[in-house]
Amino acid sequence: NAGVTQTPKFRILKIGQSMTLQCTQDMNHNYMYWYRQDPGMGLKLIYYSVGAGITDKGEVPNGYNVSRSTTEDFPLRLELAAPSQTSVYFCASSEDSLDTQYFGPGTRLTVL
Amino acid sequence: KQEVTQIPAALSVPEGENLVLNCSFTDSAIYNLQWFRQDPGKGLTSLLLIQSSQREQTSGRLNASLDKSSGRSTLYIAASQPGDSATYLCAVKRSFGNEKLTFGTGTRLTIIP
Repeated sequence: NAGVTQTPKFRILKIGQSMTLQCTQDMNHNYMYWYRQDPGMGLKLIYYSVGAGITDKGEVPNGYNVSRSTTEDFPLRLELAAPSQTSVYFCASSEDSLDTQYFGPGTRLTVL
Repeated sequence: KQEVTQIPAALSVPEGENLVLNCSFTDSAIYNLQWFRQDPGKGLTSLLLIQSSQREQTSGRLNASLDKSSGRSTLYIAASQPGDSATYLCAVKRSFGNEKLTFGTGTRLTIIP
């Protein structure tokens, strides 16, 4: 099992550019999550999904979009990158709502 | 609004010592609490998960306790090793169906050989 994989590892964007952060899990987990981690701050939930075709907003969803067409994949889309979106992004998955969450290695994004 | 605090932000101890990391939360209506480890430039690894009905969980040299009424959890690490150096985060889940985990900002632990 590879667990949760994320691509790319690093990315620099210019203001206004768009990009998609990829997340894939091979554990057949129903639940998937996107978090951002800013320096000196706790992780904040951006979006989550409880199964294919179902997504919902977390704590800080503005400026992001997600889709969940398959159980394995949960991409995060930034449409118009802003400096405030400079952060480290983590994808996670869990078997159900109460289970341990398994995290990917993260994507470090810088918007200049 | 749930707030999770971890003090101190950083801790250095000599190898071999036993140590305790602290986590406090403001709203005792939680469903479970998790302790994670984060190595520099890496993702989070779950260490222990305690359900609200439990008092403690153990895994190897790690023991986590939960006192819901006082809003506190501790992570006890026995016989610390240099490989234990990492940032330790705690996170609380409010309720079933509420998918938000509220994270603390972590304690950066350094074990001195």
